Amino acid sequence: EDQVTQSPEALRLQEGESSSLNCSYTVSGLRGLFWYRQDPGKGPEFLFTLYSAGEEKEKERLKATLTKKESFLHITAPKPEDSATYLCAVQATNAGKSTFGDGTTLTVKP
Amino acid sequence: DAGVTQSPTHLIKTRGQHVTLRCSPISGHKSVSWYQQVLGQGPQFIFQYYEKEERGRGNFPDRFSARQFPNYSSELNVNALLLGDSALYLCASSPYGGFTDTQYFGPGTRLTVL
Repeated sequence: EDQVTQSPEALRLQEGESSSLNCSYTVSGLRGLFWYRQDPGKGPEFLFTLYSAGEEKEKERLKATLTKKESFLHITAPKPEDSATYLCAVQATNAGKSTFGDGTTLTVKP
Repeated sequence: DAGVTQSPTHLIKTRGQHVTLRCSPISGHKSVSWYQQVLGQGPQFIFQYYEKEERGRGNFPDRFSARQFPNYSSELNVNALLLGDSALYLCASSPYGGFTDTQYFGPGTRLTVL
């Protein structure tokens, strides 16, 4: 069965303090890996899709990378508005669904 | 363009009752997926529909059912509600039925079962 584990569960940073979030996954064959941002009480907001090991994508202060076993979401010089829960999800080649991790809740203090 | 819309926003039911949740996808999107998100956990896949046909089903009991209409909107029905069904129910739409289509989520329906 497909599994996604995100770490840490919670991360507190000072504004400007860069860090990384981890997403480890186990799938029979990876079709795609997704990163979402979710604010409290709202639906997830799409950030990135990664398809193959070695791929990288960037958006503002966020950069996502992918290896054969894990993905990292790097946050450079975060601001308080980056505070949210970041979710990782995978789609396997033989499954018509996305399997989500439980997320990392990021808090950025000014 | 309007995003994915869901109704109602909040709902309170008692055990044993039935509930219907509604979703309208982004204009032009033909696929709708439903997810259940319990507080503190990631979303769990329930169903995917594309062109009114069920394309995928998660590990949920038969009390959960769904359908998609000709205008691509969708309903999720849950019968014989249990306390454990309390959750945020999310609808996501995508342009096609492809498994790696980007999914765009709605704001969710918060269901509380008493």
